[in-house]
Amino acid sequence: QLQLQESGPGLVKPSGTLSLTCSVPGDSINSSRHYWDWIRQPPGKGLEWIGGIYYTGRTFYRPSLKSRVTISVDTSRNQFSLKLTSVTAADTAVYYCASRDIVVVAFDNWGRGTLVTVSS
Amino acid sequence: QSALTQPPSASGSPGQSVTISCTGTSSDVGGYNYVSWYQQHPGKAPKLMIYEVSKRPSGVPDRFSGSKSGNTASLTVSGLQAEDEADYYCDSYAGSNNYVFGTGTKVTVL
Repeated sequence: QLQLQESGPGLVKPSGTLSLTCSVPGDSINSSRHYWDWIRQPPGKGLEWIGGIYYTGRTFYRPSLKSRVTISVDTSRNQFSLKLTSVTAADTAVYYCASRDIVVVAFDNWGRGTLVTVSS
Repeated sequence: QSALTQPPSASGSPGQSVTISCTGTSSDVGGYNYVSWYQQHPGKAPKLMIYEVSKRPSGVPDRFSGSKSGNTASLTVSGLQAEDEADYYCDSYAGSNNYVFGTGTKVTVL
């Protein structure tokens, strides 16, 4: 089991940019078996896949968020990051980072999640 | 890319079974055998319970089982225990490296 850990500001102003980082233990970020993904959950609501990245830098985004999302990876620091621009109150959510097993196509490890509130 | 449809709630007494459905389309659930189920306790991160429709990760009790017919997948929890009370979400591959989650089902152990 991988212990993933999200970090970043818990409060972002409307129209600003949400930035989060996920730390991955050891050298796991270079795993050829996993994608590294972001998933969010608005308070009291369900899960929504945002997008993911492979250690090579190949990215995949939810079509409805693609124009506002950038996911990047820093293999030297064993981290991957999320940037979401032009945020509104609708982007208020608990943001999870997770690993996605390429073979079984499932999210097999999750961070504890971090609440990001969009408010002035 | 609409969310998969799950019933909002399900319940059962200890020892009984409960089955949760997850309905999608031929572009997601019906098109691929990549349906997963996650258990989420309040304030906690989701935990993978079932992958590839019916397979259990190591450590998940065999009381949890999954199946699929057409565009609908199902999760059955047999021999309900108090610790099974949680929210459950399905998830399916939707092609072109897209993924869609279900709306979620709150399971109550009576």
